[in-house]
Amino acid sequence: SQTIHQWPATLVQPVGSPLSLECTVEGTSNPNLYWYRQAAGRGLQLLFYSVGIGQISSEVPQNLSASRPQDRQFILSSKKLLLSDSGFYLCALNDYNSPLHFGNGTRLTVT
Amino acid sequence: DAKTTQPPSMDCAEGRAANLPCNHSTISGNEYVYWYRQIHSQGPQYIIHGLKNNETNEMASLIITEDRKSSTLILPHATLRDTAVYYCIVRVAESTDKLIFGTGTRLQVFP
Repeated sequence: SQTIHQWPATLVQPVGSPLSLECTVEGTSNPNLYWYRQAAGRGLQLLFYSVGIGQISSEVPQNLSASRPQDRQFILSSKKLLLSDSGFYLCALNDYNSPLHFGNGTRLTVT
Repeated sequence: DAKTTQPPSMDCAEGRAANLPCNHSTISGNEYVYWYRQIHSQGPQYIIHGLKNNETNEMASLIITEDRKSSTLILPHATLRDTAVYYCIVRVAESTDKLIFGTGTRLQVFP
């Protein structure tokens, strides 16, 4: 079965510091991978999605970037965090045999 | 923008059926209706999806109107653990189309 690993579960970072969140998946090949963010009390916002290695589509202009160096690895990064980057970051995947499946997320607090 | 509209909140007594409505009047012929739920501080969980026929699984039933402009998710015997935000989404099945979440319905199950 498909499994999504996200770490860390919680993270506190100062403003201006870099960020790297990693998502790895198992039980699938060539999946579509997604990064969503949920600000406190808000809905889910799609940030990036990827249909293959090195292929990244950005949905909103922002302080973040994404990379997919391997088929089952999706990384969310920032060079300098802003207070507004705080939120709940979720990695998700789907393939042609399954609906979208979410990981357990990383709760980021920028102080 | 989300292509669905849902009531912001609903209450349901434990043990009773919870009926969550969703309007999707602009749905296209090849778009499915998906339902997810999000329990506090967790990633969204897939519940069920359907195209035009009613669907049932171990979690819920999905009733889609004949014109496909609205649907209802039914939790036949709600429990306290069903308290969550429920999202109704329309998209082409297992595609790379963006999964756009609206604000969902916050279901509160009370004893």
